[in-house]
Amino acid sequence: NAGVTQTPKFQVLKTGQSMTLQCAQDMNHEYMSWYRQDPGMGLRLIHYSVGAGITDQGEVPNGYNVSRSTTEDFPLRLLSAAPSQTSVYFCASSYEWSTEAFFGQGTRLTVV
Amino acid sequence: AQSVTQLDSQVPVFEEAPVELRCNYSSSVSVYLFWYVQYPNQGLQLLLKYLSGSTLVKGINGFEAEFNKSQTSFHLRKPSVHISDTAEYFCAVSEIDSGYALNFGKGTSLLVTP
Repeated sequence: NAGVTQTPKFQVLKTGQSMTLQCAQDMNHEYMSWYRQDPGMGLRLIHYSVGAGITDQGEVPNGYNVSRSTTEDFPLRLLSAAPSQTSVYFCASSYEWSTEAFFGQGTRLTVV
Repeated sequence: AQSVTQLDSQVPVFEEAPVELRCNYSSSVSVYLFWYVQYPNQGLQLLLKYLSGSTLVKGINGFEAEFNKSQTSFHLRKPSVHISDTAEYFCAVSEIDSGYALNFGKGTSLLVTP
């Protein structure tokens, strides 16, 4: 079982560049979310989705876009990368909010 | 909206000693409570959760936590830690106002030494 797969694992961007972080799950989970992890800050919610076609903003949505066209995929787009977006990004999915959330291995992004 | 406070950023402890990692939350509505563990360079893994019912919940690897509604706390405990328990531990809550998405505390780094 693949679980939650994030690609790429590492990425270096120049300021102003755009890119998409990919997240895919094969567990038929309705609920998916994106977090960023920064030292001393824990994990902060960027965007989340409760099903295909439905997304909403979390705590720190600025500079990020998401869409959910299929149950399996939940890509995160950086429109114009900034050094403040240097972070480790985690995607998670769950069957319901009350059940276990499964996390990907993370994408370490550096913006220079 | 809820907030989660993990009262200790770092907890050093000797092997085989007991440990308690503290978590307090603030919310005006019913919440679900979770503890997750993150080993170095890995994603997060669920340790245990409280949804309703018994206030003492048991999780994997010998961990347990007690929900205290009056003190709005959900402290994590283990009676005897191992070197392999060295990791980052996150308390998280979810509630309907945020679509039940997880809201994490800042984490507690548990360092177990011989």
